[in-house]
Amino acid sequence: EAGVAQSPRYKIIEKRQSVAFWCNPISGHATLYWYQQILGQGPKLLIQFQNNGVVDDSQLPKDRFSAERLKGVDSTLKIQPAKLEDSAVYLCASSHTTGGEQYFGPGTRLTVT
Amino acid sequence: AQKITQTQPGMFVQEKEAVTLDCTYDTSDQSYGLFWYKQPSSGEMIFLIYQGSYDEQNATEGRYSLNFQKARKSANLVISASQLGDSAMYFCAMREGSLYNFNKFYFGSGTKLNVKP
Repeated sequence: EAGVAQSPRYKIIEKRQSVAFWCNPISGHATLYWYQQILGQGPKLLIQFQNNGVVDDSQLPKDRFSAERLKGVDSTLKIQPAKLEDSAVYLCASSHTTGGEQYFGPGTRLTVT
Repeated sequence: AQKITQTQPGMFVQEKEAVTLDCTYDTSDQSYGLFWYKQPSSGEMIFLIYQGSYDEQNATEGRYSLNFQKARKSANLVISASQLGDSAMYFCAMREGSLYNFNKFYFGSGTKLNVKP
């Protein structure tokens, strides 16, 4: 069974630029999560999808971050415009059951200069 | 208040010995779940073990066991017979709410475990 796929693995941008991350969850997993992990900290949940609907986006900075999961499979997380404090690893995870154990992708390491 | 507290930023353990990683949580929900994840230096988070709030028995998965003390709101991870490959960051996480329903997830700040040969 293929795991959670993410791309790109690394991205360096200048502040005020925009960036997008892509995630493909494990086949059949209805729930998809995006996390932000700042160096030295635990992951912080940004947004949770159940199929193509948003379950929780309470910690998503909506003035600059957006995410979508249009067909209930792949998802894209966008940052526009980026700030220096957005430098982090962005992790995508999926689970078969909402609230169950999550399986994580390798993450995208974003550096904003 | 912190939802998940891991008070040990770093720990050392001798190979083949057991080690306990501490985790306390804060929730007023009756139904919740507790998870432990391992994050090696490669960065990928790996699910280790799960305990539901209504589970009467402590969860076990191979060398991992979860010491669940509901009244004390603690969910410590015990790794028996440590191996060099156990060296990694370990995160405790909590789901508020029951399975299949709307819920929130919280992660702790992690404990870095170093296994010495």
